[in-house]
Parts: sequence; C-alpha cells; structure tokens
Amino acid sequence: EVQLVQSGADVRKPGESLKISCKGSGYSFTNYWIGWVRQMPGKGLEWMGIIYPGDSDTRYSPAFQGQVTISADKSISTAYLQWSSLKASDTAMYYCARHGSGSYHSPFSHWGQGTLVTVSS
Amino acid sequence: ENVLTQSPGTLSLSPGERATLSCRANQSVSSNYLAWYQQKPGQTPRLLIYGASSRATGIPDRFSGSGSGTDFTLTISRLEPEDFAVYYCQQYGTSPWTFGQGTKVEI
Repeated sequence: EVQLVQSGADVRKPGESLKISCKGSGYSFTNYWIGWVRQMPGKGLEWMGIIYPGDSDTRYSPAFQGQVTISADKSISTAYLQWSSLKASDTAMYYCARHGSGSYHSPFSHWGQGTLVTVSS
Repeated sequence: ENVLTQSPGTLSLSPGERATLSCRANQSVSSNYLAWYQQKPGQTPRLLIYGASSRATGIPDRFSGSGSGTDFTLTISRLEPEDFAVYYCQQYGTSPWTFGQGTKVEI
C-alpha cells in the first residue's frame, strides 16, 4: 500500500527556518515525482513544486521559486520542504503528494495527511 | 501559466440532483491532462478523474468527466450525501501545474 507520512504540526516565529518532511513507503520512492501543495486557511490548493527523487530534478511554481526549497533523501525515502526565513503569510496546511505514474504528466494519486505550519510572533 | 477558472463558486443542490461543475483554462490543456479532486472539510484531497474523463480507482460511476482543449466539466449524476464537498480541477500538462480555485457543492 502506498503511504506518504508527513511530519507533525509546527509553530514558529517570523524569521525562523523550518524543514518539514514526507516519507514514502509501499512503492519505489526513486521512480515517482513527489510534489508539495499549499492550502492557506479557508482557501484553495496551490501547486508549489515537484521533485524526482531518483536524480533530484526539481521544478518550482514561479510563485514559490526562491521562497522555498524542495529536496529529497532517497536513502530514507523522504522528501522535504524548507524555508530559510518564515513569514506570517506562510501559515498554511502543506500537503505532499505523489504523481500517479513515473511521469510528471500524471495527476496526484496519493496524498500525505498534511502538515500544519503556523507562523506567529 | 495556465490559469484555471472554475464555475460556479458555490452550487446549492439537494441529494439526488445532478451537479455540473465547469473548469475553463486560459490556454489549451496539453493532451487533456486535466484532473478533478474532491476535498471534504478537514480531509486530504482525493483524486476523482484524470485525463479529463478517466475515473480513478474506486471512484463511483456517478462521477464523470468530459471536455477537451480549454473547457472541461465534472458531472455528478445523482448527488449522495457524502458528495457535498469542494471540488478542484488541476492541469498537469504545462509547468507550472495549476489548480482551479474550487467549487463548493453544498446542500
């Protein structure tokens, strides 16, 4: 069974750094693109970017390029989303999701449970 | 980027009725790489439809997708109580992949 298990909720202050994780299991981690999706409180889904753990090829939405870093450690089947300096506007639920096939031209077929990030002074 | 606009914003219907949701792109969606997701309050999104018209595994046949190019439709033939949720379209043909803003189907 494919599973994506994300790290727990986190509360940080503005200006702090943060790295959240998404551990994949039940499939070949290196052969599927994984993406990150933001959902701000009461709002819709926003595509942030994707990574191919096999070679760390990464694509970002222009809206998030330079604001976050997506990475992966294939030795432990884990993808990451990190911020170097958080802002209050980063407060949101963040989902990781796996593409349905080995191509990024496929929908997100499996989703993590979400990580709630709260940034407040 | 390919901006997706969903309409209506909210659809107020009763169980047993037919729901028709629209998703319009400002550029043609490459190879009809268009998906629909359902999200219930406090839950993770769930894939319903991919490739504009193919149902994902385990999705009931009351859900159907159609369309091509820039205009796509999700139809729920007879609403069940568990279908009241927010529905999002997404294109995955041209980077950056994008989502529509969502349509809420409410009682």
